[in-house]
Amino acid sequence: DAGVTQSPTHLIKTRGQQVTLRCSPKSGHDTVSWYQQALGQGPQFIFQYYEEEERQRGNFPDRFSGHQFPNYSSELNVNALLLGDSALYLCASSPFGTEEGTDTQYFGPGTRLTVL
Amino acid sequence: GNSVTQMEGPVTLSEEAFLTINCTYTATGYPSLFWYVQYPGEGLQLLLKATKADDKGSNKGFEATYRKETTSFHLEKGSVQVSDSAVYFCALSDYSGNQFYFGTGTSLTVIP
Repeated sequence: DAGVTQSPTHLIKTRGQQVTLRCSPKSGHDTVSWYQQALGQGPQFIFQYYEEEERQRGNFPDRFSGHQFPNYSSELNVNALLLGDSALYLCASSPFGTEEGTDTQYFGPGTRLTVL
Repeated sequence: GNSVTQMEGPVTLSEEAFLTINCTYTATGYPSLFWYVQYPGEGLQLLLKATKADDKGSNKGFEATYRKETTSFHLEKGSVQVSDSAVYFCALSDYSGNQFYFGTGTSLTVIP
């Protein structure tokens, strides 16, 4: 059973560019959340997708947007990149409406984004 | 608002020593509480969780008890091993279960 997968593993961009990160949830999971983890910090919640809609959003600007596809995979898009966007971006999936509960999240290995 | 404060590291212990990593929280409503572990080069893994007051989560010899009166969820292990070396994150999920709040992490190194 494959866990949560993310691509690419590493990415280098320059200021002002746009980036798209991808996530495939664990089999049987339909809810995907995205987090930003700066070096030496805990993950910060960006947003959560369920049924192809953004269900909840953290304190991130509109430059951060996402999408969820019918197969439950998801993309995170960041426009007009800033140096401060350099971080590890984590995707987590969870099963909605099961005994295990939406609050049991399984994390992928992350995408390391460096903005120069 | 919701937040998690955890003990600053790094923590260095000898093998078989007793481990405590402190975690306190601020939350509205009745959050669920979690400990996640991040091994070098890997993603976060759920270590244990507790969903209501006085619940004890346990896994791999680690334990934590949800203490509503002290708003705490301290992580303990009686005898650490070198393989426990990792970064440990305390977290809570809000009343909806949809949004998580993480602490800044505590790095643990266990030496033989």
